[in-house]
Amino acid sequence: NAGVTQTPKFQVLKTGQSMTLQCAQDMNHEYMSWYRQDPGMGLRLIHYSVGAGITDQGEVPNGYNVSRSTTEDFPLRLLSAAPSQTSVYFCASSSFSGGALGELFFGEGSRLTVL
Amino acid sequence: AQTVTQSQPEMSVQEAETVTLSCTYDTSESNYYLFWYKQPPSRQMILVIRQEAYKQQNATENRFSVNFQKAAKSFSLKISDSQLGDTAMYFCAFRATLNTNAGKSTFGDGTTLTVKP
Repeated sequence: NAGVTQTPKFQVLKTGQSMTLQCAQDMNHEYMSWYRQDPGMGLRLIHYSVGAGITDQGEVPNGYNVSRSTTEDFPLRLLSAAPSQTSVYFCASSSFSGGALGELFFGEGSRLTVL
Repeated sequence: AQTVTQSQPEMSVQEAETVTLSCTYDTSESNYYLFWYKQPPSRQMILVIRQEAYKQQNATENRFSVNFQKAAKSFSLKISDSQLGDTAMYFCAFRATLNTNAGKSTFGDGTTLTVKP
């Protein structure tokens, strides 16, 4: 019963490098999303998807890219890493059935440091 | 845009006692969802309790209960018989419906709760 799996759990990048955070869920959830959590703050929405082939921007999308080619996977790409992107990143998914939304199921988080 | 405010950055409680965490939110919508999530030092986000706005009855889950005041836009969490394992950061979250705002979630800044032995 894996739930939401994020990789890697830790990553150190240099300014300007690119990387992809992987997220996969095995619960057949239509809704997937990426958040970042900075110290002393709550989670802020980066991008989200309501189904395969559909993505949209959240509150803080700049510098990030996503795609949703399958129901299971929702990778987050950092195009050119900046120190301001140092944060903990969470992938989350939820179901929606008949218009009713379920709670978010979270991955374990990925700590990214940009030097 | 919705906002969620948790006015208590830190709280502490003695083991076995009761504590209440506050949360207020702002929205113009009539239907939505409210959640409390717990984040222990392990960093894993765990659902504590959920409330649908159209339900008048307050949700309860074992030692956890909420006081949902829709008109006041208030959603507090009460933890009874506090246990050491309740030590964590607690986040209040508002979630829009799919029709109104694509199911987006907005989180408060969190309350760090310490349960003392």
